[in-house]
Amino acid sequence: EAQVTQNPRYLITVTGKKLTVTCSQNMNHEYMSWYRQDPGLGLRQIYYSMNVEVTDKGDVPEGYKVSRKEKRNFPLILESPSPNQTSLYFCASSLSWGRAYEQYFGPGTRLTVT
Amino acid sequence: AQSVTQLDSHVSVSEGTPVLLRCNYSSSYSPSLFWYVQHPNKGLQLLLKYTSAATLVKGINGFEAEFKKSETSFHLTKPSAHMSDAAEYFCVVTEGYGQNFVFGPGTRLSVLP
Repeated sequence: EAQVTQNPRYLITVTGKKLTVTCSQNMNHEYMSWYRQDPGLGLRQIYYSMNVEVTDKGDVPEGYKVSRKEKRNFPLILESPSPNQTSLYFCASSLSWGRAYEQYFGPGTRLTVT
Repeated sequence: AQSVTQLDSHVSVSEGTPVLLRCNYSSSYSPSLFWYVQHPNKGLQLLLKYTSAATLVKGINGFEAEFKKSETSFHLTKPSAHMSDAAEYFCVVTEGYGQNFVFGPGTRLSVLP
């Protein structure tokens, strides 16, 4: 089944403890992206990647890192999480990065930082 | 820079009546526009997309949207609401090379029996 998977689905952590949220897609998609969803703000793009080793900042990149060493994986790293990063995070992928390509979303990771 | 406004944060309709969810966008170039739906505790699913072909776009589950460049709008409609349509709906714009997607804040649709 074609899908985007994220792990973990739920995570509670403490301020300053490094964490990684994994994202993997099995559709051989070139483009991958991370979003955070907060009430009343919709989804905001954190980082995106147009291919292996090609990443760029979205609208809210502060406090996050990403890497794209393999085409299928695009982990999101919080090196020193803070309470304002408590949010619902979505990974997405699309076949390529042209305007015509819709994104396919993972199930989401709910992160709480205390 | 591109941006999206969804004019209603919450819309409530009765089952069997029409649905209208409004979206206005701002874009410097010819945009692509999407509508996504998010059911409670679920991920996002594409309803439909506009990418500079026909201005009236038909999507899944009976939804459609019309791109109106003069009004910078991309409103989502459905002739008859069903209980299963209750969800959050997001209008999305992208432009240029399509690498940067901007979401609206969302409209929560409630369907009353």
